[in-house]
Amino acid sequence: NAGVMQNPRHLVRRRGQEARLRCSPMKGHSHVYWYRQLPEEGLKFMVYLQKENIIDESGMPKERFSAEFPKEGPSILRIQQVVRGDSAAYFCASSPGDNTEAFFGQGTRLTVV
Amino acid sequence: GENVEQHPSTLSVQEGDSAVIKCTYSDSASNYFPWYKQELGKRPQLIIDIRSNVGEKKDQRIAVTLNKTAKHFSLHITETQPEDSAVYFCAASITASKLTFGTGTRLQVTL
Repeated sequence: NAGVMQNPRHLVRRRGQEARLRCSPMKGHSHVYWYRQLPEEGLKFMVYLQKENIIDESGMPKERFSAEFPKEGPSILRIQQVVRGDSAAYFCASSPGDNTEAFFGQGTRLTVV
Repeated sequence: GENVEQHPSTLSVQEGDSAVIKCTYSDSASNYFPWYKQELGKRPQLIIDIRSNVGEKKDQRIAVTLNKTAKHFSLHITETQPEDSAVYFCAASITASKLTFGTGTRLQVTL
């Protein structure tokens, strides 16, 4: 059973471009969470999704950020018109239920130049 | 919302000594408290967790204690080894899903 898979591992974008981060949960997991980790800081919750539904997006910035978890395929975190402050590690986690341990992926390190 | 504070931010111990990291939380409804270890450039990995119906949990050299009245919980690592060197994060949550993390403790185990 492969773990949570994130790609790409590293992503470089110029200011103003779009970044698309992908997360495939562990087999049998229908709950996906995205966290952002700024350099030298802890992880900050962004959004919690189940298949085709956003359950909690209280940690998402109001503009430029969106997330989806379609019926088929990976969850996508999309950042439009990236700025230097978006540079961070973005971690995805998945779980089989809403009160069970979440397993983290290896993260996508986004660098905005 | 939940707020988690973690101390110390850095901790240096000699190999074989014990290390203690402390966290406090604000939301009395929180009932799940995991601890994660993160090595440089890698994913956070769950090392131990505790739910509010117990006060202490142990797994070999690591243990976690929880005081719900005071709203604080602690990680204890005994007989530290160089491979314990990493950043440790505590977290709190009402369920196991939406975690609020502390700011991390960088543990350095010296020979």
